[in-house]
Amino acid sequence: DIQMTQSPSSLSASVGDRVTITCRTSQTITKYLNWYQQKPGKAPRLLIYTASSLQSGVPSRFRGSGSATDFTLTISGLQPEDFATYYCQQGYSAPWTFGQGTKVEV
Amino acid sequence: EVQLLESGGALVQPGGSLRLSCAASGFTFSSYAMAWVRQTPGTGLEWVASVGPSFGTYYADSVKGRFTISRDNSKNTVYLQMNSLTVDDTAVYYCAKDGQLVVGWFDPWGQGTLVTVSS
Repeated sequence: DIQMTQSPSSLSASVGDRVTITCRTSQTITKYLNWYQQKPGKAPRLLIYTASSLQSGVPSRFRGSGSATDFTLTISGLQPEDFATYYCQQGYSAPWTFGQGTKVEV
Repeated sequence: EVQLLESGGALVQPGGSLRLSCAASGFTFSSYAMAWVRQTPGTGLEWVASVGPSFGTYYADSVKGRFTISRDNSKNTVYLQMNSLTVDDTAVYYCAKDGQLVVGWFDPWGQGTLVTVSS
């Protein structure tokens, strides 16, 4: 199975900040990395697919980058609605695996 | 608008069985793979099973031989039959739409249904 390592596990930020979350995989997954946002009591929501493609309806302040084993989610100009937990997930090979999550807090 | 509505979660004793359902609407159900993903506070998000548009099935090792995913295209519904349940199966179970092949790309997700395995 492909192991996913996200960092940090949590971070504190303020509205307007630029936030960076990283995800590392145990083997190359080329570009098949997805990012999800989850708010308390809600289901995850797809933000970014294939490393850098923005899902329809997702604000452009979210940006994904990276390839092979190292990936980054950047939020530029953090908004109040962005305080949530973010997960990476590899779509390269089954079993599909998720990172442990990064909680973005005030 | 794509909508997924899970049902069937309940409290069940260890060794028991449960069937979850996920009713889909807003897209051509028969053309897409569907998946079940579960979430626990301790282990985070875990993919459980997927079924392709051609009915091919895929399972996580942790549930293989105990869980069965299936779909009924006439009812736009995907099911998860769970047998021999253990306390480790306690989780919120989400249904999610995948791609037109099984590609591990989950969007959107249902609201989730809680399965609690306890004596």
